Amino acid sequence: GDSVTQMEGPVTLSEEAFLTINCTYTATGYPSLFWYVQYPGEGLQLLLKATKADDKGSNKGFEATYRKETTSFHLEKGSVQVSDSAVYFCALSDQSGNQFYFGTGTSLTVIP
Amino acid sequence: GAVVSQHPSRVICKSGTSVKIECRSLDFQATTMFWYRQFPKQSLMLMATSNEGSKATYEQGVEKDKFLINHASLTLSTLTVTSAHPEDSSFYICSARGGARDTQYFGPGTRLTVL
Repeated sequence: GDSVTQMEGPVTLSEEAFLTINCTYTATGYPSLFWYVQYPGEGLQLLLKATKADDKGSNKGFEATYRKETTSFHLEKGSVQVSDSAVYFCALSDQSGNQFYFGTGTSLTVIP
Repeated sequence: GAVVSQHPSRVICKSGTSVKIECRSLDFQATTMFWYRQFPKQSLMLMATSNEGSKATYEQGVEKDKFLINHASLTLSTLTVTSAHPEDSSFYICSARGGARDTQYFGPGTRLTVL
């Protein structure tokens, strides 16, 4: 079945460091791929998405490219800020859009 | 953009009581609503899928008599945790599918603590 494998954390970075959180997926058909962010005590917020191969999703300085050949959707940011501290979830939805599969989440802490 | 609200955001109750959580799509009609449960430091696990006017479809291992779902309208779904026990303490998140992009939009979550 469909699944998402996400880089385990926690990840601790200094402010302005480069961030990569790896995400790979297994899916049949043509899934859509997502990154969600969860700040402490809050629900999920959609960070970015990509719906087809080679699409690049971007938002707030974060980017991820849908790579079908490597079945990956790695999250990157060139210069992290303290306010980026949160848990990041990689997810995919099947073609129907009804089934979402989440990774286990990666906790990011950015220190000044 | 599409907004989903949940009420209450936090609830503390005594063991044995029932708790109702509401999920509303505020500016769009949701063809389908989903309920997830998130344990501390873990990912979201889908509990059930509901369509307006029909019975919810529960995932394997989820007790349908304990977690009652009612989807009365295209903008409202409720999850009732019946006879709650401490092991039911968790973060419950709903999502609603619909809107211009016909994708899932997540609510802010409800933290349930059962004493």
